[in-house]
Amino acid sequence: ETGVTQTPRHLVMGMTNKKSLKCEQHLGHNAMYWYKQSAKKPLELMFVYNFKEQTENNSVPSRFSPECPNSSHLFLHLHTLQPEDSALYLCASSQEGGTTNEKLFFGSGTQLSVL
Amino acid sequence: QKEVEQNSGPLSVPEGAIASLNCTYSDRGSQSFFWYRQYSGKSPELIMSIYSNGDKEDGRFTAQLNKASQYVSLLIRDSQPSDSATYLCAVRGDSSYKLIFGSGTRLLVRP
Repeated sequence: ETGVTQTPRHLVMGMTNKKSLKCEQHLGHNAMYWYKQSAKKPLELMFVYNFKEQTENNSVPSRFSPECPNSSHLFLHLHTLQPEDSALYLCASSQEGGTTNEKLFFGSGTQLSVL
Repeated sequence: QKEVEQNSGPLSVPEGAIASLNCTYSDRGSQSFFWYRQYSGKSPELIMSIYSNGDKEDGRFTAQLNKASQYVSLLIRDSQPSDSATYLCAVRGDSSYKLIFGSGTRLLVRP
């Protein structure tokens, strides 16, 4: 148990489906992140929220839509995805985003397959 | 040019040996450096952080940083089969929310 919980663990969806990934952190942190991990590629930062405000959007396509209702919860809404979006989606949290010594704590991830 | 570079491996060492994992980075302004361990099918787990030049030791792990050479390494002493995993190097600049990851080095410790 890392203190960061992601659901679902696995998701298979068609290109016309709409689904959402959920992340909850129990660490009292104020910053939350979405990362994408594809095979043989580095983790790619997608979005950062600090105190519920989005502070980073790393040129992510609009078919990915994040939502952060409070500092403990983060969602990633998915619609009209492409097969190349199949990857492991990791949520992370840190005490307060933007400081150089920030340590990230990751959830277990959602393995997404787009058919 | 990749921002954070690691040899993908696999790096194979016998049990009890020292495993040496290396990482180079391109941004000279980088201020903080991290090593994460990721077991197959699991999420990354932070094992070491280092912020100033020199060595930092924590149990069997030693992180080494040389900012002039833009080089950070992780030494694992007395390697165990349970250390077999992918090790991710991550680097952050001085004013950014972005933690840039390398592709990782896969370590295999042979019994």
